[in-house]
Amino acid sequence: AQRVTQPEKLLSVFKGAPVELKCNYSYSGSPELFWYVQYSRQRLQLLLRHISRESIKGFTADLNKGETSFHLKKPFAQEEDSAMYYCALSGSGGGADGLTFGKGTHLIIQP
Amino acid sequence: GAGVSQSPSNKVTEKGKDVELRCDPISGHTALYWYRQSLGQGLEFLIYFQGNSAPDKSGLPSDRFSAERTGGSVSTLTIQRTQQEDSAVYLCASSLAWQGEAFFGQGTRLTVV
Repeated sequence: AQRVTQPEKLLSVFKGAPVELKCNYSYSGSPELFWYVQYSRQRLQLLLRHISRESIKGFTADLNKGETSFHLKKPFAQEEDSAMYYCALSGSGGGADGLTFGKGTHLIIQP
Repeated sequence: GAGVSQSPSNKVTEKGKDVELRCDPISGHTALYWYRQSLGQGLEFLIYFQGNSAPDKSGLPSDRFSAERTGGSVSTLTIQRTQQEDSAVYLCASSLAWQGEAFFGQGTRLTVV
């Protein structure tokens, strides 16, 4: 079974400080990994996916298959980054497990 | 429509009553997902449709929960004999294919009193 673990429920950093949101996964095949974000009173939306290898709003995430991790990083946090962040995994086995999400990390950027 | 639409946005029901939640996905999206978001529990996967079929229903919490999708479009999630622990936000998402980006609706906040 596929599983996503986000060890931090809450992460609070000061504006301008680096941010790293941790995500580890368990999957026997080749997964596709995503980060989704939910800003206050808004819909859950895609932030980035590992196959795109792009930086969105200054965030990057590298898939490390050896460590089965997909940590989300940003060098300088901004107040508007405060939100709930969910790591998600989609397996390659035909979609029966759907998109599996972690429990989420609430990121708070303090001024 | 422009996005995934869910109705109602809020539902308060008495314990023991049945409720039906509706999801209207983005036109042309073949994959449709239902999730439950509870405080402190993150996103719990309930069921997934590819077209009209649901390959795996094991994510549904109990036999009081059922879901269907007809015409490859609108889906309904039905909860029978609601219990207080069913209170949560129920989210629907759709994607072009099962491994594509999922677009979420605003959710239905269900409160069982």
